[in-house]
Amino acid sequence: DIQMTQSPSSLSASVGDRVTITCQASHDIYNYLNWYQQKPGKAPNLLIYDASNLETGVPSRFSGSGSGTDFTFTISSLQPEDIATYYCQQYGNLPLTFGGGTKVELK
Amino acid sequence: EVQLVESGGGLVQPGGSLRLSCAASGFTFSLHWMHWVRQAPGKGLVWVSRINSDGSITTYADSVKGRFTISRDNAKNTLYLQMNNLRAEDTAVYYCSTLSGPMDYWGQGILVTVSS
Repeated sequence: DIQMTQSPSSLSASVGDRVTITCQASHDIYNYLNWYQQKPGKAPNLLIYDASNLETGVPSRFSGSGSGTDFTFTISSLQPEDIATYYCQQYGNLPLTFGGGTKVELK
Repeated sequence: EVQLVESGGGLVQPGGSLRLSCAASGFTFSLHWMHWVRQAPGKGLVWVSRINSDGSITTYADSVKGRFTISRDNAKNTLYLQMNNLRAEDTAVYYCSTLSGPMDYWGQGILVTVSS
């Protein structure tokens, strides 16, 4: 199985801050990576697919980059509505696997 | 409007069975691979199973292989998950999803609690 190591597991930032989350795959997954946002009690919401493509309707402050084993997710200017848990997810190999999540809180 | 609506969850004793359903609308269900993903209380997301568009290919996580069966009825636009020999560690919110970008759709989730 491909392990997805996501860091940090939590972070605290202020409104307007730049937030960066990393995800490392245990094997090459090319660009087969999604980034999801999940708010409490809600289903996950896809933000980025194929490592760097912004899902329709998602604000441009969200972005993703990387390929192979190392990936980065960035919020360029944190907004109050971005408080959530974020997950990376690989679909290059079965079983599909998720990172452990990053809980983003307001400072 | 795209909708995925899960049903069939609830409380079941260890060793028991449940059948989850996921009713789809607002998109061409028969063209999409479909997945089940679960989330134990306070924990992360875990992929459970997938099925191809015509139901001929199914794949499972090792943790549920031999106990869970995924299926679909494209005439009814419905996805199923038959869960047998349930264990306490199967307790989770279960989501159905297309799990694909673009056109990534998720249901609201349904809680399955396995407890005596």
